[in-house]
Amino acid sequence: GENVEQHPSTLSVQEGDSAVIKCTYSDSASNYFPWYKQELGKRPQLIIDIRSNVGEKKDQRIAVTLNKTAKHFSLHITETQPEDSAVYFCAASKRSQGNLIFGKGTKLSVKP
Amino acid sequence: DAGVIQSPRHEVTEMGQEVTLRCKPISGHNSLFWYRQTMMRGLELLIYFNNNVPIDDSGMPEDRFSAKMPNASFSTLKIQPSEPRDSAVYFCASRSNGAETQYFGPGTRLLVL
Repeated sequence: GENVEQHPSTLSVQEGDSAVIKCTYSDSASNYFPWYKQELGKRPQLIIDIRSNVGEKKDQRIAVTLNKTAKHFSLHITETQPEDSAVYFCAASKRSQGNLIFGKGTKLSVKP
Repeated sequence: DAGVIQSPRHEVTEMGQEVTLRCKPISGHNSLFWYRQTMMRGLELLIYFNNNVPIDDSGMPEDRFSAKMPNASFSTLKIQPSEPRDSAVYFCASRSNGAETQYFGPGTRLLVL
């Protein structure tokens, strides 16, 4: 079955710097890759997603890139702010099956 | 739209007791997912339903866990008997057919003493 590896497990940056979180997946049939943000004590919430027919997607300060050949995808956050501090999860799925396989999460801390 | 609704939000029980977690998906969503979140294992899919039918229950840890979806607007996850290692946050999520985004409920924080 699918396996998703996520790195790093913790990331600390200075406010205004960029943050990059990387994930790899094992199943070449996976074609949907969402990213969720989970604040302390809250539910995971989708922040951006990408499908396998696209190499990059951007939404304001966040962007996701996908390399299907290498089977990895990354989340990029620019101009980080303290409110970006949270745990970020990547996930992968085959749309026809519907279940998401999550990475272990990255705890991002943005220092003011 | 009220979003995914879960109850109770917190549950403290003693080992050996039965625990029932409840979920109401977003109206019109056809797929429902139960996840368990722990520090050690992260977010794990336990089971998911499509049109009230269980599709994949390979993540259910053992026979002590069972899930039902008697209709499109209600699902339960039952643990009987509960054990301390079941302590975790249990999330329910729902998704509309033809879409990929899963929307999570607020979770139930379970503590088994």
